[in-house]
Amino acid sequence: AQRVTQPEKLLSVFKGAPVELKCNYSYSGSPELFWYVQYSRQRLQLLLRHISRESIKGFTADLNKGETSFHLKKPFAQEEDSAMYYCALTTGGYQKVTFGTGTKLQVIP
Amino acid sequence: GAVVSQHPSRVICKSGTSVKIECRSLDFQATTMFWYRQFPKKSLMLMATSNEGSKATYEQGVEKDKFLINHASLTLSTLTVTSAHPEDSSFYICSAHSPLTDEQYFGPGTRLTVT
Repeated sequence: AQRVTQPEKLLSVFKGAPVELKCNYSYSGSPELFWYVQYSRQRLQLLLRHISRESIKGFTADLNKGETSFHLKKPFAQEEDSAMYYCALTTGGYQKVTFGTGTKLQVIP
Repeated sequence: GAVVSQHPSRVICKSGTSVKIECRSLDFQATTMFWYRQFPKKSLMLMATSNEGSKATYEQGVEKDKFLINHASLTLSTLTVTSAHPEDSSFYICSAHSPLTDEQYFGPGTRLTVT
């Protein structure tokens, strides 16, 4: 069975500081990894996915199969980055999406 | 962008009654929709995968007779909580997969309170 682990419930950083939200997964096959973000009073929305290898809002994430990790990074945090971030995994074709427990990012002005 | 709506946004019902939650993809057709349940300060738990025109696939531990899912069209899926109990009180979120963009779009959620 697949599992997604986000070890930090809350991450507080100062504005302008680097951010790294950790995500580890377990799955025996080849998963597809995502980061979703939920801003206050808004719905969950896709931030980025590993297959597109894009940088969205300055965030990047690299899939490390050796470490089974998909950490989310941003070099300089902004106040508007404060939100709940969920790492998620699918086994392909959106047949089943497994979410991590989420990390609340708090950017301090 | 693609929009998914849910109705109602909040519902309060008495124990023993049934309540229906609708999930609609407003500007795209979704062959697959998903229903999640979110507990306070916890992650989203996938309840079932709903495919248009066929029976839903339920996750282990989810009672299919209690949580009835109907995916009648490519833009509508409904979740009916039957004989609701206070422990069914939760935040229910649906999502719809767009085959065009290969992305999953989430609804705003429905807060169910069973008294």
